[in-house]
Amino acid sequence: DTEVTQTPKHLVMGMTNKKSLKCEQHMGHRAMYWYKQKAKKPPELMFVYSYEKLSINESVPSRFSPECPNSSLLNLHLHALQPEDSALYLCASSQTRYEQYFGPGTRLTVT
Amino acid sequence: TQLLEQSPQFLSIQEGENLTVYCNSSSVFSSLQWYRQEPGEGPVLLVTVVTGGEVKKLKRLTFQFGDARKDSSLHITAAQPGDTGLYLCAGRGDDKIIFGKGTRLHILP
Repeated sequence: DTEVTQTPKHLVMGMTNKKSLKCEQHMGHRAMYWYKQKAKKPPELMFVYSYEKLSINESVPSRFSPECPNSSLLNLHLHALQPEDSALYLCASSQTRYEQYFGPGTRLTVT
Repeated sequence: TQLLEQSPQFLSIQEGENLTVYCNSSSVFSSLQWYRQEPGEGPVLLVTVVTGGEVKKLKRLTFQFGDARKDSSLHITAAQPGDTGLYLCAGRGDDKIIFGKGTRLHILP
């Protein structure tokens, strides 16, 4: 099973809302990632968790707050977002240094 | 800074034709991955190449890793409309995976 699941599939939120994105994998992978992808661009790394600890934060604004409750789950808490934050948010996981497996993404629209 | 440059950026060809897309860098990578992404979906891993000179085949797709591990190519034989998508190469940099900007492939029926 090489599946990474993400919920919700689509999310529309106002600039004053608080929402969360969820990601889950049951492959026993020890690293999990959040990416942001704008239209017609490659994914941009936001955060990396390794063994449930935040190991990389790519200078992401504090209105994005990641959380890794356990080795299978990864959340991204959203608060006071801007319209330019609208994008496809991708979660990925990996066991080796070589390969990442991506979820289907959450399409976020900030109004 | 390690960069991966993909070419061409866009490619539109007729069904049944062959094509090659490239992923190049001035840096050595311990491995390179190729992904295909369809609109609104996450990238799907196609292959990982690890050894310089390595060739891997996935049905009509042939992947090659350069001898010096600085470049890779993806060759598609007899392209089909289902091959349409964004093809991304990625490699492990110093502390994270680096993506190329992708080749957007469109196969015309």
